[in-house]
Amino acid sequence: GESVGLHLPTLSVQEGDNSIINCAYSNSASDYFIWYKQESGKGPQFIIDIRSNMDKRQGQRVTVLLNKTVKHLSLQIAATQPGDSAVYFCAENNYNQGGKLIFGQGTELSVKP
Amino acid sequence: NAGVMQNPRHLVRRRGQEARLRCSPMKGHSHVYWYRQLPEEGLKFMVYLQKENIIDESGMPKERFSAEFPKEGPSILRIQQVVRGDSAAYFCASSPSSQATNEKLFFGSGTQLSVL
Repeated sequence: GESVGLHLPTLSVQEGDNSIINCAYSNSASDYFIWYKQESGKGPQFIIDIRSNMDKRQGQRVTVLLNKTVKHLSLQIAATQPGDSAVYFCAENNYNQGGKLIFGQGTELSVKP
Repeated sequence: NAGVMQNPRHLVRRRGQEARLRCSPMKGHSHVYWYRQLPEEGLKFMVYLQKENIIDESGMPKERFSAEFPKEGPSILRIQQVVRGDSAAYFCASSPSSQATNEKLFFGSGTQLSVL
């Protein structure tokens, strides 16, 4: 069956360090991937997305890498800040699923000052 | 430029009562999605609606749950005869009418349902 999962449920980093959050997906038909950030008591907030015709995409302080061969997705956050502390979810979609996204379990990122 | 609006933010119901959760999508969006989130878990898809149509309800429990998105007014997620297991955060998301697939969803702040 289809699933999106995360390797690490929790990640603790020092302020200023780089963070890497990983995600594995099992549906090889997935062609669109998104990372969301969710702070306590709030809804998911879009961070960055990537389509399957790309293997890397950069935003402001964030980079998403996609490895279709091993069905792996990662989110890199440069110079992690206390405000980055949150739960991060990867989500995937494919054209045949319509608009719905399938979410992974989430990784909690904790940034130590 | 308001985002996705959900109300109420918190809803407390006793077992057997009905819960109604409301969602107003972003301006110009006519696609609405409902997700449920249990503590320490990811979001689980429930239903996808367009105006006056249910497109995909594959994630909806077969009984007690229903959703609508009328021509006028917000989308409503209705849970009849609530049970304690319905306690969760319910999130609504929307996407623009011109983008039916493979686009990011914009989420509201959610409704936290607590069943006593």
